[in-house]
Amino acid sequence: QKEVEQDPGPLSVPEGAIVSLNCTYSNSAFQYFMWYRQYSRKGPELLMYTYSSGNKEDGRFTAQVDKSSKYISLFIRDSQPSDSATYLCAMSDGNNRLAFGKGNQVVVIP
Amino acid sequence: NAGVTQTPKFQVLKTGQSMTLQCAQDMNHEYMSWYRQDPGMGLRLIHYSVGAGITDQGEVPNGYNVSRSTTEDFPLRLLSAAPSQTSVYFCASSKKGQLDEKLFFGSGTQLSVL
Repeated sequence: QKEVEQDPGPLSVPEGAIVSLNCTYSNSAFQYFMWYRQYSRKGPELLMYTYSSGNKEDGRFTAQVDKSSKYISLFIRDSQPSDSATYLCAMSDGNNRLAFGKGNQVVVIP
Repeated sequence: NAGVTQTPKFQVLKTGQSMTLQCAQDMNHEYMSWYRQDPGMGLRLIHYSVGAGITDQGEVPNGYNVSRSTTEDFPLRLLSAAPSQTSVYFCASSKKGQLDEKLFFGSGTQLSVL
């Protein structure tokens, strides 16, 4: 079983819809949780970062962490065509080990 | 600030050739790393460095060498390229004390080995 599972299936949504992405993990040592956004032919860029269970909001983006279930989510409200990208979850145990999910390709249709 | 700069952006090699992918950062970051990204595989760590003169292996180090003679530069060497090394390579860096949590990535090098 891979440490971080993220269903890579492409996701197409109409503009204005809520996008919901999630990852599961198996390593209880993970304590830092991140979401990276990657536009086509670009490097990933950090979108959200959290280290505790619960919700964290930043504008239209909400990151949710449930350590008891080993489950993290990213919600994008009022999605825009500019949100079309691949979203990668990532997690760390704080000891030079960062594990990435495979990434979710999101397409927001105008 | 330029951030993390990778060169070249594209490269085509023949099997058995060697080459060096360059990575430089101007943010005075202690931590630097190399990842490869393949379809369906996500990002996999090749090698990383926590400071000048210190390097360590990641998840997929075979066929690659690194060195860290300065804080700014972290080149990745392919000793004898193989088709299995066809991939997109990303260099990333972060501040000391934030080793993995907030990585800054370069724009990538797309490598094809024929």
